[in-house]
Amino acid sequence: SAVISQKPSRDICQRGTSLTIQCQVDSQVTMMFWYRQQPGQSLTLIATANQGSEATYESGFVIDKFPISRPNLTFSTLTVSNMSPEDSSIYLCSVARGQSYEQYFGPGTRLTVT
Amino acid sequence: AQSVTQLDSQVPVFEEAPVELRCNYSSSVSVYLFWYVQYPNQGLQLLLKYLSGSTLVKGINGFEAEFNKSQTSFHLRKPSVHISDTAEYFCAVLGGKLIFGQGTELSVKP
Repeated sequence: SAVISQKPSRDICQRGTSLTIQCQVDSQVTMMFWYRQQPGQSLTLIATANQGSEATYESGFVIDKFPISRPNLTFSTLTVSNMSPEDSSIYLCSVARGQSYEQYFGPGTRLTVT
Repeated sequence: AQSVTQLDSQVPVFEEAPVELRCNYSSSVSVYLFWYVQYPNQGLQLLLKYLSGSTLVKGINGFEAEFNKSQTSFHLRKPSVHISDTAEYFCAVLGGKLIFGQGTELSVKP
């Protein structure tokens, strides 16, 4: 398994502003992912964070709105830009190691946009 | 393309009763299946997984699931639930990326 922390755990932001969420893992991992969980909904993959290169985004998500960084094998950030109330969600980081098919999730960041 | 359908959005059950949470999947590639649990205001925790081998897989907290290829199902079961099992449960299939079902809210009443 892996110990994953996210900062902040929650935030309330005004529309039009941006928020950067951090994800820290206790040891090196191969894969890091960012998910969104809208209120009362399931999880949707936003992107795969690639170390040393641009993230790979899923359909419906773009880099201008959700820029992602991954400077090393234990850390990644997701920025939610120019926020609107529709961005109110829980944002979760997950990781996977090597050939493992298992993903482990962080505690999530609960974002409310007013 | 892969997809997951959880057949029940809410399952109320009394403490110490058995429970089954139903999950059907579709996949055109090798099937890797997972159940995750999300307790209130927390992230997801892996309950169990099926990658290959025995179709009956056992997980944490007394849960088990059975992979049924002919029925494309991966139902989660527990013979006797506790109040502490109250949570949201997600079935997921991995094929390129992890695809989640809509979730089943298990509510255990005393």
